[in-house]
Amino acid sequence: NAGVTQTPKFQVLKTGQSMTLQCAQDMNHEYMSWYRQDPGMGLRLIHYSVGAGITDQGEVPNGYNVSRSTTEDFPLRLLSAAPSQTSVYFCASSYVGQLNTGELFFGEGSRLTVL
Amino acid sequence: AQTVTQSQPEMSVQEAETVTLSCTYDTSESDYYLFWYKQPPSRQMILVIRQEAYKQQNATENRFSVNFQKAAKSFSLKISDSQLGDAAMYFCAYHGGSNYKLTFGKGTLLTVNP
Repeated sequence: NAGVTQTPKFQVLKTGQSMTLQCAQDMNHEYMSWYRQDPGMGLRLIHYSVGAGITDQGEVPNGYNVSRSTTEDFPLRLLSAAPSQTSVYFCASSYVGQLNTGELFFGEGSRLTVL
Repeated sequence: AQTVTQSQPEMSVQEAETVTLSCTYDTSESDYYLFWYKQPPSRQMILVIRQEAYKQQNATENRFSVNFQKAAKSFSLKISDSQLGDAAMYFCAYHGGSNYKLTFGKGTLLTVNP
């Protein structure tokens, strides 16, 4: 049972480069989300989705794009990386009806450094 | 917008002692849920305890309990008989029943001294 799988786990980019962080889950969860974690800032929601074809912005969406073409996958795209996007990124998923329980399944995180 | 405030960036406790982590939140919603998550150095996020706002009784999970003061919008976590394995970053989080967002506080780093 893979759970939530994020790739890559580590990435170094130069300013202006683009990249995609991949997130896949095998639990048939409708809800998927991306957070970034920065020291002293906690986890901040970037984008989320409640099903294929449906996405919405979170607290800090600028500089990031997402799409949800399948239930399983929710990639996060950085079109032109900036040093301010240096962070640890977490993907999390859940059944929509279970959000109230707090039972989010988190990936292991992806550490991104933008030089 | 909902906000979650953790005013203690760091806390320390002696092994076997009790420690309380503070959390306050701001919301205009009547239907909401509150959580405490633990993040050890492995970066794994672990749900520790949850509280439904409509429940007056404070939630308890083994050595972990909360003090939920709805009028004061306060949601503190008490860890009893602290163990070395409790050392971690702890996040308070809020979920409003009418949306799909989970809002986290900035975290409290707990150190447990032997």
